[in-house]
Amino acid sequence: KAGVTQTPRYLIKTRGQQVTLSCSPISGHRSVSWYQQTPGQGLQFLFEYFSETQRNKGNFPGRFSGRQFSNSRSEMNVSTLELGDSALYLCASSLHLFLAGDTDTQYFGPGTRLTVL
Amino acid sequence: AQKVTQAQTEISVVEKEDVTLDCVYETRDTTYYLFWYKQPPSGELVFLIRRNSFDEQNEISGRYSWNFQKSTSSFNFTITASQVVDSAVYFCALRGGSGGSNYKLTFGKGTLLTVNP
Repeated sequence: KAGVTQTPRYLIKTRGQQVTLSCSPISGHRSVSWYQQTPGQGLQFLFEYFSETQRNKGNFPGRFSGRQFSNSRSEMNVSTLELGDSALYLCASSLHLFLAGDTDTQYFGPGTRLTVL
Repeated sequence: AQKVTQAQTEISVVEKEDVTLDCVYETRDTTYYLFWYKQPPSGELVFLIRRNSFDEQNEISGRYSWNFQKSTSSFNFTITASQVVDSAVYFCALRGGSGGSNYKLTFGKGTLLTVNP
């Protein structure tokens, strides 16, 4: 079974621009989460989607948004990019949102490395 | 609020040595879930293990073993007879069981393990 895929893998943008990152979950997985990883802050949770609805959100400004489509694929968008948005953005999928057992274990994609100049 | 502390920032060992990575967590949830992930230089987070708070049984998987002690809020990870391929950053993570903001994965800062030949 194919893993989580993320596109693009690398991206260079300039301040003020906006960017859209894409994530395709493992087949059959319905929950998608996004994380930002930086050397200073480590891994931080952005948001989680299940059945096209945002179920949980981290402490990020409104410039960060996302959505999930009916096929469970997800996109995240960052508007008005700042230098501090340079990071590795990781997407993770799980079978379900939250149930007893292992069905909410998250499996991660390779990430999109965003550089803001 | 949840918190995961990995006090060891970097560990360097020689191949075939045993190494233990420490993880201490804080949560007010009575039910919670602990995870270990490995991040090789390629960037993708690789799931290693999940442990439920109501299951304190330790686990061994090949050269890997995990020691979960609820009394000390620790979930330590030991690699026996380390190999160069074990070189990576290892993350401990916590997911609360009460829903709401604790439901997201909270990661520690990670421990960079370098295994030298």
